[in-house]
Order: sequence, then C-alpha cells, then structure tokens
Amino acid sequence: AQSVTQPDIHITVSEGASLELRCNYSYGATPYLFWYVQSPGQGLQLLLKYFSGDTLVQGIKGFEAEFKRSQSSFNLRKPSVHWSDAAEYFCAVGAGNTGTASKLTFGTGTRLQVTL
Amino acid sequence: DGGITQSPKYLFRKEGQNVTLSCEQNLNHDAMYWYRQDPGQGLRLIYYSQIVNDFQKGDIAEGYSVSREKKESFPLTVTSAQKNPTAFYLCASSNPSRTYEQYFGPGTRLTVT
Repeated sequence: AQSVTQPDIHITVSEGASLELRCNYSYGATPYLFWYVQSPGQGLQLLLKYFSGDTLVQGIKGFEAEFKRSQSSFNLRKPSVHWSDAAEYFCAVGAGNTGTASKLTFGTGTRLQVTL
Repeated sequence: DGGITQSPKYLFRKEGQNVTLSCEQNLNHDAMYWYRQDPGQGLRLIYYSQIVNDFQKGDIAEGYSVSREKKESFPLTVTSAQKNPTAFYLCASSNPSRTYEQYFGPGTRLTVT
C-alpha cells in the first residue's frame, strides 16, 4: 500500500529565510504527488503537483518542489518565506485511479511557524 | 464563483444522535469525497462517489453513511455507531479529466459531547 511520510511535525523559520519541507513516499508505480496548504480552520488548497516530465515543478505563492525518484522524495521549497506562509502543509500521493475518482493518501502534515 | 460549500462551519451534538453534514459543489465535478482530519493524523478518506447514486467506502467508513442523489450534493451522516465522531470533516470534488486534482471545501468542525 502507498504511504507518505512527513518527518517534520513542526518547523519554525524567520521571515525572509528559505524553507524546505520534507516528504517521502512509498508507491509501487510512478507516483502522482501533491502539496496542499491549510490555514487554521480552513480547507486545503493545492500548491503544486507532479505527474510526469520535469522533476522540478512550480506552484502558486512562489513554492516549488523537486521529485527525486532515487530518494522517493518530493520536498517543497521556497526561497524566501513570508509571514503569511504560516500554515500546515500536507504532502499527498495519488493512489490509484478508479474510474472518475482518484484516491489520495496524505501525510500527517508539517506545521510552519514564521517568526518576524 | 465556483466552489464547494460546507455547512455549518461548527456543529455540536450530544452522544447517541445522528448528524448530517452538508456538502454542495457547483464545479460540475463528477467525483466527490469525504475526509476526516484529526490532529497529527492528516486526512483519512471516509467515502467517495464517482457518479450520482454510486459511492464507495474509503479507509474509515465504519459509523458513517452517505448518499448521492444529485451531482452537486454529497451529504455525510455521522451515526451513533461512530465511536469517536469529534473531528474536522472536509469535503472535496474532482473533475473526471483531472481526477487527482481535488478541490476542498472549508470544512465542518463537529463536536460530540
């Protein structure tokens, strides 16, 4: 079965500093990978996705992620963090397409705190 | 604007009562999903539906029921059989041509005492 590991439960960075959130996955085939962001008490917003092709993908809000098959990783990065980036971030892997629906398996999330 | 609405934002119930959470979408998506979110556990899939009058159990379906009578609506009932119903519930939908891109509603926080 597929799984996603986000080893960092909580990360604190200073505003303007760079950010990297780690994600490791386990999946037998070529994975579909996602990063979502969730503000407190809100739903999830898709930041970026990887299906195939270029292993460095760009997303919204200045985020990017790099797929590394050899390391089974899909780490999220941002060169300069803004205070508004404080939120919880979830990595997810596509777990099989069942017709018109698809099942995602989510990691347990990383909470990002930004200090001024 | 298209999107997913969930109501209410907060819901309180007494133990032993069934409660229904609403989810409506105007994105014309065929597939809809219900997730449960608990602190430190990420999101877990409860039920999903590919088309009207069809739905499938997810990973934690016990104690929950759903219906899909209309394309736009996918209500979730938390029954008295659910042993630990207090949680944050999220509804999502996806387009059949881009099924992995799921769009989420704002969620309903259910508290059962």
